[in-house]
Amino acid sequence: GAVVSQHPSWVICKSGTSVKIECRSLDFQATTMFWYRQFPKQSLMLMATSNEGSKATYEQGVEKDKFLINHASLTLSTLTVTSAHPEDSSFYICSARGGQLNTEAFFGQGTRLTVV
Amino acid sequence: GENVEQHPSTLSVQEGDSAVIKCTYSDSASNYFPWYKQELGKRPQLIIDIRSNVGEKKDQRIAVTLNKTAKHFSLHITETQPEDSAVYFCAAPRGTGRRALTFGSGTRLQVQP
Repeated sequence: GAVVSQHPSWVICKSGTSVKIECRSLDFQATTMFWYRQFPKQSLMLMATSNEGSKATYEQGVEKDKFLINHASLTLSTLTVTSAHPEDSSFYICSARGGQLNTEAFFGQGTRLTVV
Repeated sequence: GENVEQHPSTLSVQEGDSAVIKCTYSDSASNYFPWYKQELGKRPQLIIDIRSNVGEKKDQRIAVTLNKTAKHFSLHITETQPEDSAVYFCAAPRGTGRRALTFGSGTRLQVQP
């Protein structure tokens, strides 16, 4: 199947700093990527849809100025958590649907963010 | 938008028994229904999926059934093994095309040896 690579796999940062997470589709072009957040023992919740060459679409309740998304190429989307706070600590996972299997979703490895 | 409900939230079975997890969805236009297995701290892994033009699909010990009229689909695991222990999520796409998935709340399956 297609491969989606996410980096870093874990990061610890201080309150008030910003963290950038990268999501790459390695063997297919992804015009659309998705960012999910997963709190402990909970489901994956969609944060935003990243669109190549245009603005991201954010889900209700997700602050676009806090979670900056850039999708500058067909293989890379980045999520920047700005002015991070402890409540932003979570597991962030990116996903892309594409390749030859048009419907299957491929997930990155996830990024465990801990804000101290 | 799509709403997906999943139950049970936890399921404990003895090794060798069968496990069934059920989901319902709200959007009658949904046409693709995947099931994911997630181990602690790892990404969801697709274990089986079904498209709306079929009612059942099987892959060795895993099967999925779909009832479009009732808008529900189920995951069946037979001859469970301890390594099947994980959290399982059902999902459905939001609309058609390359849309995001809406996930169920998850089922924690524990297979007792």
